[in-house]
Amino acid sequence: GALVYQYPRRTICKSGTSMRMECQAVGFQATSVAWYRQSPQKTFELIALSTVNSAIKYEQNFTQEKFPISHPNLSFSSMTVLNAYLEDRGLYLCGASRDSYSGNTLYFGEGSRLIVV
Amino acid sequence: GQQVQQSPASLVLQEGENAELQCNFSSTATRLQWFYQRPGGSLVSLLSNPSGTKHTGRLTSTTVTKERRGSLHISSSQITDSGTYLCAMERGGGSAKLIFGEGTKLTVSS
Repeated sequence: GALVYQYPRRTICKSGTSMRMECQAVGFQATSVAWYRQSPQKTFELIALSTVNSAIKYEQNFTQEKFPISHPNLSFSSMTVLNAYLEDRGLYLCGASRDSYSGNTLYFGEGSRLIVV
Repeated sequence: GQQVQQSPASLVLQEGENAELQCNFSSTATRLQWFYQRPGGSLVSLLSNPSGTKHTGRLTSTTVTKERRGSLHISSSQITDSGTYLCAMERGGGSAKLIFGEGTKLTVSS
């Protein structure tokens, strides 16, 4: 079956340092990968959508300079939180789907939780 | 404003009772999806349908796209159903691009 692995599951980083998280699709080819963040007491916000052979599209309030994303092949994506501060803490989820314009199910990883101290 | 609104924010039930969770969205959606968020934070996809009614087990999802609303019905609730239920709408651009509601926190007690 289709699975999405995310790592690390949890990171504690010092304020001002960076954290890289990875997302691995197993059992299917992830033509689209979306990165979401759930800040404390809030719902999930879309950070950016990465579709193979297209430019990565960032949502308002999120930039490539702050959250650079790499999607080099159909099974792997990574995102870095640069210069993390308190407002960046939360649960980061990677969601991968097979086809960007179909009704296919989006498979989520378990999440990477970022704690900033 | 909030594009996806869920109600109620929280719901407390006795085991065996039915739950009705509502979702309203403010712009055109191609599909509505329902997720269960585990205590650790990860999401479980429950149901997704562009319109009409869909069933799986004790869950029924109904989406009325023209009226920009949807619902999730949980029949004969169990203690293990407790948790947060999130509604998310697809705006187009694929199933990966979702706007989430704030969630309904369901507590089922014995």
